[in-house]
Amino acid sequence: AQSVTQPDIHITVSEGASLELRCNYSYGATPYLFWYVQSPGQGLQLLLKYFSGDTLVQGIKGFEAEFKRSQSSFNLRKPSVHWSDAAEYFCAVGTGNYGGSQGNLIFGKGTKLSVKP
Amino acid sequence: DVKVTQSSRYLVKRTGEKVFLECVQDMDHENMFWYRQDPGLGLRLIYFSYDVKMKEKGDIPEGYSVSREKKERFSLILESASTNQTSMYLCASSTGQGINIQYFGAGTRLSVL
Repeated sequence: AQSVTQPDIHITVSEGASLELRCNYSYGATPYLFWYVQSPGQGLQLLLKYFSGDTLVQGIKGFEAEFKRSQSSFNLRKPSVHWSDAAEYFCAVGTGNYGGSQGNLIFGKGTKLSVKP
Repeated sequence: DVKVTQSSRYLVKRTGEKVFLECVQDMDHENMFWYRQDPGLGLRLIYFSYDVKMKEKGDIPEGYSVSREKKERFSLILESASTNQTSMYLCASSTGQGINIQYFGAGTRLSVL
């Protein structure tokens, strides 16, 4: 069965420090991978996605993520965190509109990021 | 830009009431989804629809139903609201072809008293 694990429930980093949020997935074929961000009281916004090709993908707000097939991971990184990055981050795996899945996503439970001044 | 609009940001209802949560998307997307979000549990899929008048159960459909009479609108119905349905509800839509990027609404925070 497909699954997504975000091992860290809550992370606190200092403003200006680097950030890495971990995501591991379980899926039999080549997955479609996503990172979403949710600011307090808001819906989810797509940060970046991986479908194929270059395993290092760039997203909005200075985020990037690297797909590592051998580790079944898709970790999110940012070199220098800003106070406005404080939010909850969700990793998700999708199966495409094939095989009757109708475009479903499996989400991790999220990692809450706090930023210290 | 894709826009997914949920009709209410906050709702307060009484136990036993029938509750309608409405969601409208403006991108002619085939797929629409309803999730509930609870602390520590992430997003859980309630129902989804891949076409008008079509619906499929997600992971936690009990106590909910849905309606999709028009392509752009997907409604979540709580037939008889209970306190354990107090939650944040998120609607999303995606195209029916190729890669399934889901676009989300701002959410409805429902409190059932």
